[in-house]
Amino acid sequence: GQNIDQPTEMTATEGAIVQINCTYQTSGFNGLFWYQQHAGEAPTFLSYNVLDGLEEKGRFSSFLSRSKGYSYLLLKELQMKDSASYLCAVTDSNYQLIWGAGTKLIIKP
Amino acid sequence: GAVVSQHPSRVICKSGTSVKIECRSLDFQATTMFWYRQFPKKSLMLMATSNEGSKATYEQGVEKDKFLINHASLTLSTLTVTSAHPEDSSFYICSARLGGDTGELFFGEGSRLTVL
Repeated sequence: GQNIDQPTEMTATEGAIVQINCTYQTSGFNGLFWYQQHAGEAPTFLSYNVLDGLEEKGRFSSFLSRSKGYSYLLLKELQMKDSASYLCAVTDSNYQLIWGAGTKLIIKP
Repeated sequence: GAVVSQHPSRVICKSGTSVKIECRSLDFQATTMFWYRQFPKKSLMLMATSNEGSKATYEQGVEKDKFLINHASLTLSTLTVTSAHPEDSSFYICSARLGGDTGELFFGEGSRLTVL
């Protein structure tokens, strides 16, 4: 079956760095997305990786290793507003999006 | 960036009534839109893929007669929850893909349905 694994919850301190991991087993691969979702709101796009390596976008970076079925989202200089759920999603061979359950990130002062 | 608008954002209805939720792509044409349901503290659950001009494709376990989807134009898809029951209370979210199969997904604001 198809599966996306990511930690349920993580806690970090304001100003610090946190890495949220995502591993996947899917039938084919056509890209991996990271989305941020604040409570009660719809997800918003953060990043897209289809090739191995690191994509940097401001305070957020996303890494992909297709051979390992692994990605991480790195958040630097954490701010209180970064408290949210972070969803990992993979596009499979049929271009269907498979969603992880999300990682709830709690930022403490 | 591209904008997807969803309406209403909140709706409360009585059990047995029907509720329609609209999803519009405001500045791009979307031949395909997706409808999700999200339970508290859970990830998105794809309900169906809405295709302009044809029937929606429903995921396994989703009742197509219960959740009617119409994609009448390239910018509008609607989800109608028919004969709503309290267990249908949920957060419903639509999305549209910009570009091809690997294009970025843009989400509507979501609609919180409460059935009394």
